[in-house]
Amino acid sequence: SAVISQKPSRDICQRGTSLTIQCQVDSQVTMMFWYRQQPGQSLTLIATANQGSEATYESGFVIDKFPISRPNLTFSTLTVSNMSPEDSSIYLCSVNDRARGGTEAFFGQGTRLTVV
Amino acid sequence: GENVEQHPSTLSVQEGDSAVIKCTYSDSASNYFPWYKQELGKRPQLIIDIRSNVGEKKDQRIAVTLNKTAKHFSLHITETQPEDSAVYFCAASIGDNYGQNFVFGPGTRLSVLP
Repeated sequence: SAVISQKPSRDICQRGTSLTIQCQVDSQVTMMFWYRQQPGQSLTLIATANQGSEATYESGFVIDKFPISRPNLTFSTLTVSNMSPEDSSIYLCSVNDRARGGTEAFFGQGTRLTVV
Repeated sequence: GENVEQHPSTLSVQEGDSAVIKCTYSDSASNYFPWYKQELGKRPQLIIDIRSNVGEKKDQRIAVTLNKTAKHFSLHITETQPEDSAVYFCAASIGDNYGQNFVFGPGTRLSVLP
């Protein structure tokens, strides 16, 4: 299994500001995934982060709004830029151990963001 | 792209009864179908999964069935208990790359009434 530490666990931010969420994994993984879960909703993939290359964004998400860094195989950050109340959501990072033959996806504990 | 539908959106059952949640997917290339349980305020956790080369898988009170032809799969929980109350998400993925992403269904809120 993979242990994921995500921080902050929650934050309340002013509109127009930015928040950077960190995700640390206890083992090296090829890909890391960032999801958004709006209140009472399902998980929607924002982007896939590869080490050493640009992140791949899903439809409806752009790099200027959600810049991602992936400096090494155990760490990634997601920034929510120029925040508005519509960005209030839970953000989760995820990895799987596909490289070790597994398929289970593991999630961080999530970052609950409230924009006021 | 892949689209996953899930029904029902809410489900209430009496303790001890069975619960069934159904999902359909659109991309016939999907070959891995996990089910996640998310308790209030917690992260999603895998409870059972099935690959496309298997029709059914069981783990104690939980089972999953897959019909590739019809592109649907179902979660079955028998002898439900109050601690089974949570939101359940099905997902589908194409697992032929190192690290795959998932398309999740909208979720089912299961309430087990004592």
